[in-house]
Amino acid sequence: DTAVSQTPKYLVTQMGNDKSIKCEQNLGHDTMYWYKQDSKKFLKIMFSYNNKELIINETVPNRFSPKSPDKAHLNLHINSLELGDSAVYFCASSLFGSRGGDRKTQYFGPGTRLLVL
Amino acid sequence: AQSVTQPDIHITVSEGASLELRCNYSYGATPYLFWYVQSPGQGLQLLLKYFSGDTLVQGIKGFEAEFKRSQSSFNLRKPSVHWSDAAEYFCAVLTGTASKLTFGTGTRLQVTL
Repeated sequence: DTAVSQTPKYLVTQMGNDKSIKCEQNLGHDTMYWYKQDSKKFLKIMFSYNNKELIINETVPNRFSPKSPDKAHLNLHINSLELGDSAVYFCASSLFGSRGGDRKTQYFGPGTRLLVL
Repeated sequence: AQSVTQPDIHITVSEGASLELRCNYSYGATPYLFWYVQSPGQGLQLLLKYFSGDTLVQGIKGFEAEFKRSQSSFNLRKPSVHWSDAAEYFCAVLTGTASKLTFGTGTRLQVTL
């Protein structure tokens, strides 16, 4: 009955490779997010999708491409991995809209720990 | 631009002692505020949230937080800390229609027995 799940949990790869991280939520939410947590534990938003439409696109290298096949799934594909991409990537989900703060509460997945060698 | 400041990078308390973690925010409108906890090697778990109304909010695991608009603060408290509370604590503010969460830099809590 996991609410927000991510696969894989750990990912170790070589520089230059391409990899994908998958996220799924079963909370009935319509908005999903990717956050990056760096080595100093700082969390920053990367992308957000609402009903398969990109609504937040922070300053992220275009080697990162999110894809949302439906509102319950949000994947992150990373091309030509670099050492600096090593981080923990968190997926989150919520409801969208201007009404009711409770709808906007974001629930996070367990994270994917990416190590680029 | 919105921002969140957690002035304490690292706090150590004895088990059974009280705890207060500080959080200050900068945001022009009424803020939606959150505290999340991250145990070592784990994901982010929601502790509590504030949207409106009563400025003292209760959360899980015996935590509470008080919103003070005049001080732009949302400090987290617990009357008696347990060893299992050792973790990283993040304060965050939600902004914009697109619901972007801006996090503070976190406070690492160490609990001594």
